[in-house]
Amino acid sequence: DAMVIQNPRYQVTQFGKPVTLSCSQTLNHNVMYWYQQKSSQAPKLLFHYYDKDFNNEADTPDNFQSRRPNTSFCFLDIRSPGLGDAAMYLCATSRIGTVYNEQFFGPGTRLTVL
Amino acid sequence: AQSVTQPDIHITVSEGASLELRCNYSYGATPYLFWYVQSPGQGLQLLLKYFSGDTLVQGIKGFEAEFKRSQSSFNLRKPSVHWSDAAEYFCAVIHQGGSEKLVFGKGTKLTVNP
Repeated sequence: DAMVIQNPRYQVTQFGKPVTLSCSQTLNHNVMYWYQQKSSQAPKLLFHYYDKDFNNEADTPDNFQSRRPNTSFCFLDIRSPGLGDAAMYLCATSRIGTVYNEQFFGPGTRLTVL
Repeated sequence: AQSVTQPDIHITVSEGASLELRCNYSYGATPYLFWYVQSPGQGLQLLLKYFSGDTLVQGIKGFEAEFKRSQSSFNLRKPSVHWSDAAEYFCAVIHQGGSEKLVFGKGTKLTVNP
C-alpha cells in the first residue's frame, strides 16, 4: 500500500546532540511537510517542500533544518536539540495540482531529549 | 487569516451514546474542511473531508460531519460511540486555491466510559 513512513518511531538524544529524523513516501506526492506536535497540542507546521522549493514558517527556529534529496525522502535535522524540542514530529505529504489538497500523515517520531 | 476553533477541549461519553464534536472556522470563502483522529502515540488519520457539494459528508468508522455555511461550522457526529473511538480529534481547514497550509484546531480529547 502507498504510504508515508517515518523512522525511527522513537528517538532519544542528548541535549545539544544533533539528530536527524527521516520520512519517506510511496505516494509520489510533490509536497512534503514537517509538523511539530507537543503534548496535548495541535500539530504546528515547521516547513514544507513543494517539489524542491523549501518553504519555512516564519516562527520556525533556526535550529530546525530540512533536506529533500529526492521526491520520496525528506529529513528533519535538529542541530542542537534543547529540552523544549521534545515532541512528536509528524511528516505529511500531499499532491498540489489536483482538486484536493488532502494531506497524508505518517505515524510520527517521538523525540526525547535528555 | 483562517482559523479553526474547537470549543470543547475534553468530552466524555458513555459507550453507545451519540457524539457531536464542534468545529467552527473563520474564512471568507468556502474552505476545504477536514476531521482527523489521532490515537495516543500515533499519527493523524483522516476521518472525512468536505470540499463542495452535499453538505453532509460520510467518513470512515461510522462518522459523519455537516457543513453549515451560515454557522461557519463543520461538526463531527457519530450515532453510537465505541470504546475504540477514544482519541484526540482535530478539525482542520486548508485554503482553497492552492495554498499548502493546513490550519488545525486545538483538538478535542474524547474519553469513552464503559
